[in-house]
Amino acid sequence: NAGVTQTPKFRILKIGQSMTLQCTQDMNHNYMYWYRQDPGMGLKLIYYSVGAGITDKGEVPNGYNVSRSTTEDFPLRLELAAPSQTSVYFCASSPGGVNTQYFGPGTRLTVL
Amino acid sequence: GEDVEQSLFLSVREGDSSVINCTYTDSSSTYLYWYKQEPGAGLQLLTYIFSNMDMKQDQRLTVLLNKKDKHLSLRIADTQTGDSAIYFCAEIPNSGYALNFGKGTSLLVTP
Repeated sequence: NAGVTQTPKFRILKIGQSMTLQCTQDMNHNYMYWYRQDPGMGLKLIYYSVGAGITDKGEVPNGYNVSRSTTEDFPLRLELAAPSQTSVYFCASSPGGVNTQYFGPGTRLTVL
Repeated sequence: GEDVEQSLFLSVREGDSSVINCTYTDSSSTYLYWYKQEPGAGLQLLTYIFSNMDMKQDQRLTVLLNKKDKHLSLRIADTQTGDSAIYFCAEIPNSGYALNFGKGTSLLVTP
């Protein structure tokens, strides 16, 4: 199993540009999550999904959108990039709500 | 929400034991976790403990849980330079699905 994979690894955006961060898991997990990690901070939840077709907001959802059309994929969309979205983004998955979460390697995004 | 608290920095000599402490927020959290993050990498699950346990040992790692004080600790025996990383304490509060993380403790192991 590859586990949780994320693309791209790095990206630089200009203010106002849009992009999609990709996340795929091959463990048939129902739950998937997007977190952001700012320097010197823990991770904050952006969005999560408890199954295909179901998504919900986390602690810091503003400026982001998600979709979950399949069990495997959970893309995160930034529509109008802002410098405040400069961060490292981690995708995670788990078999259930209180089960262990498995993390991808992260996407480092810089907005200039 | 409330914060999971960790000390930010710890430095130990190679071969010594390291103890990283954490205070979590939700006394009804079912599982408590320790994740390790090496520079430029993602989070790797190190160990976890179920809330009905006081202690869990896994090779060089010992986790202690004090539910009354909502205190969690991670002890690394015979610390090696390869253990240098950031260690995150995390809980899943009873109210939600997502992990609630501390800010991480940077462990530096010197020869």
